[in-house]
Amino acid sequence: DAKTTQPPSMDCAEGRAANLPCNHSTISGNEYVYWYRQIHSQGPQYIIHGLKNNETNEMASLIITEDRKSSTLILPHATLRDTAVYYCIVRPNAGNMLTFGGGTRLMVKP
Amino acid sequence: GAGVSQSPSNKVTEKGKDVELRCDPISGHTALYWYRQSLGQGLEFLIYFQGNSAPDKSGLPSDRFSAERTGGSVSTLTIQRTQQEDSAVYLCASSLVGQGNWYGYTFGSGTRLTVV
Repeated sequence: DAKTTQPPSMDCAEGRAANLPCNHSTISGNEYVYWYRQIHSQGPQYIIHGLKNNETNEMASLIITEDRKSSTLILPHATLRDTAVYYCIVRPNAGNMLTFGGGTRLMVKP
Repeated sequence: GAGVSQSPSNKVTEKGKDVELRCDPISGHTALYWYRQSLGQGLEFLIYFQGNSAPDKSGLPSDRFSAERTGGSVSTLTIQRTQQEDSAVYLCASSLVGQGNWYGYTFGSGTRLTVV
């Protein structure tokens, strides 16, 4: 399975964009990138996923580099409620299993 | 239901007792997963059910742990002779099974198990 590397923690000022990087240099051609987040004392929550095109939904945008070796999750206007651990996951080919790594602990500060 | 429901939300048990944790997946979801999360740690995969196939039990930490999924819906995770190291939040998730553009899974809020 392709591994992901994320910084352990990041800070962001409230109202500013939060850009969370993820490295997945061993990703193969038809493996998708998924992002989840886990707010304290809750189960993880799906945010977004993509293959090679950039994706946007009501929660976030996902930018995947052309070589697909890295991606960035963008929260355009971070709020205090966005403080959470963000997990970047590469889904194995044809599989329905997600392996969660350490994630990035994002702290949004007033 | 509208989401994945887990019960109880909290469970305190004495060391050596057996416990059962319940998960009600989203209606129509054929795949069901159990994970656990110890305090301050990441998610540890335990077991995965998909339809009528034999479950993937590769993550169960010992033979004290077992799980069933009856009728392809509700699942029960049983821990026998609980130990203090079993204290954790036990998370259940469910999903549709798909290839390609699969939307991942939906988690419940978890059961916080404390073994005293």
